[in-house]
Amino acid sequence: KQEVTQIPAALSVPEGENLVLNCSFTDSAIYNLQWFRQDPGKGLTSLLLIQSSQREQTSGRLNASLDKSSGRSTLYIAASQPGDSATYLCAVMDSNYQLIWGAGTKLIIKP
Amino acid sequence: NAGVTQTPKFQVLKTGQSMTLQCAQDMNHNSMYWYRQDPGMGLRLIYYSASEGTTDKGEVPNGYNVSRLNKREFSLRLESAAPSQTSVYFCASIGRVYEQYFGPGTRLTVT
Repeated sequence: KQEVTQIPAALSVPEGENLVLNCSFTDSAIYNLQWFRQDPGKGLTSLLLIQSSQREQTSGRLNASLDKSSGRSTLYIAASQPGDSATYLCAVMDSNYQLIWGAGTKLIIKP
Repeated sequence: NAGVTQTPKFQVLKTGQSMTLQCAQDMNHNSMYWYRQDPGMGLRLIYYSASEGTTDKGEVPNGYNVSRLNKREFSLRLESAAPSQTSVYFCASIGRVYEQYFGPGTRLTVT
């Protein structure tokens, strides 16, 4: 059974730092991997989607990588800003097109 | 283009009461999903609909029913609410490459 783990559960860094969020999964047979952002009391916003054949995707200051063989993905945030504070969720889509979710990393960027 | 809309935003029920959560999307997507999100856990799939007229159980379907009224609308019904169903409920619409678009959520408390 696919399991998705995000470590750490919470992270607090000063503004301006580059940072990496981690996501690991147990079964490499995935269709895609998606990173989402969730602000308190709000819905989820899709940040990046990496197809199983891809190694990385970039959007602005965000870069997500995928290594299926090791069961890992990272979300790199460059030059962090207080507005980046949110919970970041990773989800893998299995071969049945079901999304399996991590519990998220709560990120706080201190001004 | 409103994307995915959900009503109501908040609801308090007494144990045993029933209610229907409404979801609609205007992106002409075939697939729609219902999730619940509980503190410290990832999202869990309740039911999904791959196309108009079809519905299937997800990971946690007990205590819920769904209706795919037409291509736009997918509703979730609690027939006899229980405190264990206190949660935040999200509806999602699935795009062409399986990217997920989420509604703002319904915060349900069952007392």
